[in-house]
Amino acid sequence: AQTVTQSQPEMSVQEAETVTLSCTYDTSESDYYLFWYKQPPSRQMILVIRQEAYKQQNATENRFSVNFQKAAKSFSLKISDSQLGDAAMYFCAPLEGGSEKLVFGKGTKLTVNP
Amino acid sequence: DTGVSQNPRHKITKRGQNVTFRCDPISEHNRLYWYRQTLGQGPEFLTYFQNEAQLEKSRLLSDRFSAERPKGSFSTLEIQRTEQGDSAMYLCASSSPGTGVEEQYFGPGTRLTVT
Repeated sequence: AQTVTQSQPEMSVQEAETVTLSCTYDTSESDYYLFWYKQPPSRQMILVIRQEAYKQQNATENRFSVNFQKAAKSFSLKISDSQLGDAAMYFCAPLEGGSEKLVFGKGTKLTVNP
Repeated sequence: DTGVSQNPRHKITKRGQNVTFRCDPISEHNRLYWYRQTLGQGPEFLTYFQNEAQLEKSRLLSDRFSAERPKGSFSTLEIQRTEQGDSAMYLCASSSPGTGVEEQYFGPGTRLTVT
């Protein structure tokens, strides 16, 4: 079983600025994966970025990058050059090796101000 | 292929009625998942199929809930004797076979309101 904590219920950022969303999780497994999903208002959930726990290098996808601290069980998402289309709920979700069950945090609502 | 589809998108029902939702995954995906998302929360896992076999069920899936995937393609989720606490968004996701951990692609969800 896992717990996922997203300590920031809401965040706001100015367009073109950088914002970091935090996530901590609890797992006893050594083999697991971490995902950030984005859920725009009234639209479906889409994957933003993923990280394999065995990889030390932090994942990046264009303007999105993570800061993965395995010992601290921390997995934050950095969005650079924020755009209006980035406004959404963001969910952190670990997945333990051997399981198919994503465990989601409560989410962070990101507002992007023009 | 336009992605995972779910029908209906919205369902309003009276307490005690039965409801059934349908999910059509991306065509080549053999794994299918159901999640439930209540207001202000992240999705919670309900159940998972690989082809037609239901391999994992959450304890959230009470005996009033049943899910099927008879031919390994589309899936249905039925809720019997609905309660107001069943009001939620029901999300379906699918993933491809792959050799490792594959991304789950989500549908738009079915929003259930129990009055």
